[in-house]
Amino acid sequence: DTAVSQTPKYLVTQMGNDKSIKCEQNLGHDTMYWYKQDSKKFLKIMFSYNNKELIINETVPNRFSPKSPDKAHLNLHINSLELGDSAVYFCASSPRTSLAKNIQYFGAGTRLSVL
Amino acid sequence: GENVEQHPSTLSVQEGDSAVIKCTYSDSASNYFPWYKQELGKRPQLIIDIRSNVGEKKDQRIAVTLNKTAKHFSLHITETQPEDSAVYFCAASPNNFNKFYFGSGTKLNVKP
Repeated sequence: DTAVSQTPKYLVTQMGNDKSIKCEQNLGHDTMYWYKQDSKKFLKIMFSYNNKELIINETVPNRFSPKSPDKAHLNLHINSLELGDSAVYFCASSPRTSLAKNIQYFGAGTRLSVL
Repeated sequence: GENVEQHPSTLSVQEGDSAVIKCTYSDSASNYFPWYKQELGKRPQLIIDIRSNVGEKKDQRIAVTLNKTAKHFSLHITETQPEDSAVYFCAASPNNFNKFYFGSGTKLNVKP
């Protein structure tokens, strides 16, 4: 069973469109994340959700909105897509406890191409 | 906020040689430092991590050292193999464990 799964794997779309990327984890983790990896391979955190509460928003445009229907899911919705949004988006999850190893498990990534 | 810097950006070594990747961080509140390996087209995967109460940790050919005073930590890979070729990321996480700040990555190429 895949621990962190995200869909779709590839997403090609036109500028101005609205799209969503889904993420699910079956590890029972409390915290989920979204990262953007650009063409230079720089990995930047976008959002972190803990028990349905947004706890980080790292200067991400408000066209990006995370939605968490429950603890196991954190979807990423993007409005009015721009060329600069083209990147690989990774979902991740980790347990939220200072007593345990806070290991992040990453999904396989979604390669978004905006034309 | 935290700022993690990673060097070098690319590293090429001969098979069997050692490789060292260095990172510095700025926030003294950071106390957890994982290292991730990302193979081409794949997801980042944790290879080793260290907490601020430990100065060194080793796992077979991989070791990580941490100097809290100087705010830097390093990844050491000994007896490198071609399958070690990948992009390696360091990261730092402060006390609340809900923030991870990644370095810019090091592309390691191990030549057979």
